[in-house]
Amino acid sequence: EPEVTQTPSHQVTQMGQEVILRCVPISNHLYFYWYRQILGQKVEFLVSFYNNEISEKSEIFDDQFSVERPDGSNFTLKIRSTKLEDSAMYFCASRQGQGIEQYFGPGTRLTVT
Amino acid sequence: AQSVTQLDSQVPVFEEAPVELRCNYSSSVSVYLFWYVQYPNQGLQLLLKYLSGSTLVKGINGFEAEFNKSQTSFHLRKPSVHISDTAEYFCAVSDLWGGSQGNLIFGKGTKLSVKP
Repeated sequence: EPEVTQTPSHQVTQMGQEVILRCVPISNHLYFYWYRQILGQKVEFLVSFYNNEISEKSEIFDDQFSVERPDGSNFTLKIRSTKLEDSAMYFCASRQGQGIEQYFGPGTRLTVT
Repeated sequence: AQSVTQLDSQVPVFEEAPVELRCNYSSSVSVYLFWYVQYPNQGLQLLLKYLSGSTLVKGINGFEAEFNKSQTSFHLRKPSVHISDTAEYFCAVSDLWGGSQGNLIFGKGTKLSVKP
């Protein structure tokens, strides 16, 4: 069964550094999402992406964040200058054009020190 | 704006007992409703979803949920839990109206702890 994959599984970085989190959505899916989950808190929507552009973004998704689909398979989330409060689990998700269900990847745990 | 309330942050229960995890939502439009499960150190797995039609939906692992529009609820139930059901359960809503791309709004989660 096709699945969403994410790399790395765990990333440790120093405050102020740039990080890129990578996702490979399911191949025939058209809509892509990033969510984050700060430890002990709920999962929060960050951004949705369709047709090579951002569709919607939350207030969390400020100028420090960007997303890109550099080729036909990868979907990346970049944090330009990480802060301690960016430490969280970041989930990528994708869905088909007609379907409602989002399929989630296993997540990348980002630790900012 | 949509929101989801999960009334119980933790639910301890003994093995083979029934369990109900509560979820209430608020929305000004029709919504789609979901329950996701997160096992320790893993990602989110869809348990079940309500899109339309029958208000009682059945999911994986013996779970079911009932959509109640008048009470704006979507409670998750299982008649007999197993140790392996120990996990965190998230209720979520989504809509595809007005150009929305179906972003999921999650509740804070309920940690189900099944004891022998």
